[in-house]
Amino acid sequence: GAVVSQHPSRVICKSGTSVKIECRSLDFQATTMFWYRQFPKKSLMLMATSNEGSKATYEQGVEKDKFLINHASLTLSTLTVTSAHPEDSSFYICSARVPGGFGTEAFFGQGTRLTVV
Amino acid sequence: AQSVSQHNHHVILSEAASLELGCNYSYGGTVNLFWYVQYPGQHLQLLLKYFSGDPLVKGIKGFEAEFIKSKFSFNLRKPSVQWSDTAEYFCAVTRNTGGFKTIFGAGTRLFVKA
Repeated sequence: GAVVSQHPSRVICKSGTSVKIECRSLDFQATTMFWYRQFPKKSLMLMATSNEGSKATYEQGVEKDKFLINHASLTLSTLTVTSAHPEDSSFYICSARVPGGFGTEAFFGQGTRLTVV
Repeated sequence: AQSVSQHNHHVILSEAASLELGCNYSYGGTVNLFWYVQYPGQHLQLLLKYFSGDPLVKGIKGFEAEFIKSKFSFNLRKPSVQWSDTAEYFCAVTRNTGGFKTIFGAGTRLFVKA
């Protein structure tokens, strides 16, 4: 199957700083990528849809100024957590959809564990 | 609100017992359906998927699922579980609208006793 890679896999940052997480589709071009957040022992909550060359679409309740998403190329989307606070500590997962739209599956990255201290 | 519901949050089984995990969704129209597994400390893995055709889908590791359109259900089954099946299982649905977002159920934590 297609491969989606996230970097870093783990990051610890100080409260008030910003941290960037990268999501790359390694062997296919993804016009659409998705960002999820997973709290401990909870499900994946969709945060936003990242569209190449345009603004991301955020789900209700997700602060777009706090979670900045950039999808500058067909293989890379980035999520920047700005002015991070301990409550932003979580597992962040991206996925990328193989071109073809509906009827294709999205492949998931291995996730990034963010700890804000 | 439209959603994906998993009925069992925690399931405890003995080895060799049969497993069925329920999943219902509330979206109308055409959907793609998935079951994912997340082993402790690991990332998501796809167990099986349904796009169209035969509603009985076979996946990896002996899992299967049946899509019943009239019931908006996609239940996961395995005839005989093993200790190594201890994990969290997520049902997920992609609608044929709105950017093809995939929405996840709350998950079912399965513990298999050896």
